[in-house]
Amino acid sequence: DAKTTQPTSMDCAEGRAANLPCNHSTISGNEYVYWYRQIHSQGPQYIIHGLKNNETNEMASLIITEDRKSSTLILPHATLRDTAVYYCIVRVAYNQGGKLIFGQGTELSVKP
Amino acid sequence: SAVISQKPSRDICQRGTSLTIQCQVDSQVTMMFWYRQQPGQSLTLIATANQGSEATYESGFVIDKFPISRPNLTFSTLTVSNMSPEDSSIYLCSTSHLSHGYTFGSGTRLTVV
Repeated sequence: DAKTTQPTSMDCAEGRAANLPCNHSTISGNEYVYWYRQIHSQGPQYIIHGLKNNETNEMASLIITEDRKSSTLILPHATLRDTAVYYCIVRVAYNQGGKLIFGQGTELSVKP
Repeated sequence: SAVISQKPSRDICQRGTSLTIQCQVDSQVTMMFWYRQQPGQSLTLIATANQGSEATYESGFVIDKFPISRPNLTFSTLTVSNMSPEDSSIYLCSTSHLSHGYTFGSGTRLTVV
């Protein structure tokens, strides 16, 4: 299973963009990159996912490098409610179980 | 996306006893997953549960300790057997469906005394 590496913690000023990096150098061609976040005592919440193209939704943008060995999650205008642990996950292909294997995540603190 | 109801939300149990956690989904889903989150840690996958077949356990987890049932496409249970204080964790179920992505329950906070 491909592993991910993320910084343990990051700070971001409220209203600024939060850029969360992730390394996944052993990712296979059919494995997707997923991002989830977990706010204290709650179940993980889906943010975004992608294969090789950049993706954007109402919550965030996902930038995947051309070689797919790393990606960046961008929260364009961070708010205090975005304070959470953010997990970058490489999803095993569906025909191999389709499971999500969590790394240690990045604890993002958004400060006033 | 699918909505998951997980019960109980929390429990305090005596060591040596067992607790069964239920996970109910509001739609039929292909795969269900059970995770453990120890205090201050990330989520660790315990097993994958597919309907009509035995669960597939990850390294370090065994069926005798964490028996799983998956009787239909909307329901699964995880039992934590012969509990010890080291089993104190949050246990979460998750579902996967091609059109729904992955959804997580709110978790069961277990304390073993």
